[in-house]
Amino acid sequence: DVKVTQSSRYLVKRTGEKVFLECVQDMDHENMFWYRQDPGLGLRLIYFSYDVKMKEKGDIPEGYSVSREKKERFSLILESASTNQTSMYLCASSALATNYEQYFGPGTRLTVT
Amino acid sequence: AQKITQTQPGMFVQEKEAVTLDCTYDTSDQSYGLFWYKQPSSGEMIFLIYQGSYDEQNATEGRYSLNFQKARKSANLVISASQLGDSAMYFCAMREPPPGRRALTFGSGTRLQVQP
Repeated sequence: DVKVTQSSRYLVKRTGEKVFLECVQDMDHENMFWYRQDPGLGLRLIYFSYDVKMKEKGDIPEGYSVSREKKERFSLILESASTNQTSMYLCASSALATNYEQYFGPGTRLTVT
Repeated sequence: AQKITQTQPGMFVQEKEAVTLDCTYDTSDQSYGLFWYKQPSSGEMIFLIYQGSYDEQNATEGRYSLNFQKARKSANLVISASQLGDSAMYFCAMREPPPGRRALTFGSGTRLQVQP
């Protein structure tokens, strides 16, 4: 059974803290993605990676960075958390071909106070 | 740039009836993929159905079918014989072909509530 796991389901952090969100997939997928989900806005792409140590900015990369040191692991980093980064964060992975669906993790609901 | 529009923020349907969730898209690519995902209240995203832009037949998966009208740029999801467990958010999404970024562009979603 395919699996994408995220390190936390719920996280509460203070403004200015450095936050790490971890994502691991066990399907040997080349592509990994970080999305942010907000009510009325759907899911928006923050960053994606198509290979180890490779990363590309998505639509809303400001305030975020990523790391992919191993194929199965893709980390999202909030260098200095702010209240407007309170959101649901979803990690996904997919194989290379165009018609392969993305598999999503359970999501991390981050609250920044 | 690709864009997905879902104009129905919320929908109600009676159990056992069929329901159509609307999705229109905008792209200049000739080759693209269209997806529908379901998100129950638990939060996980569940893949439902896929339609390729060159597929001549509408995709079907069990009770789900995708009404693909390429000229109108619409990709509506039809759920037949609704069940209470179908109550969830539904997202339409589009994927760029390589060498594009391979990520999905999502619509804002439709919340479906199935009533007994």
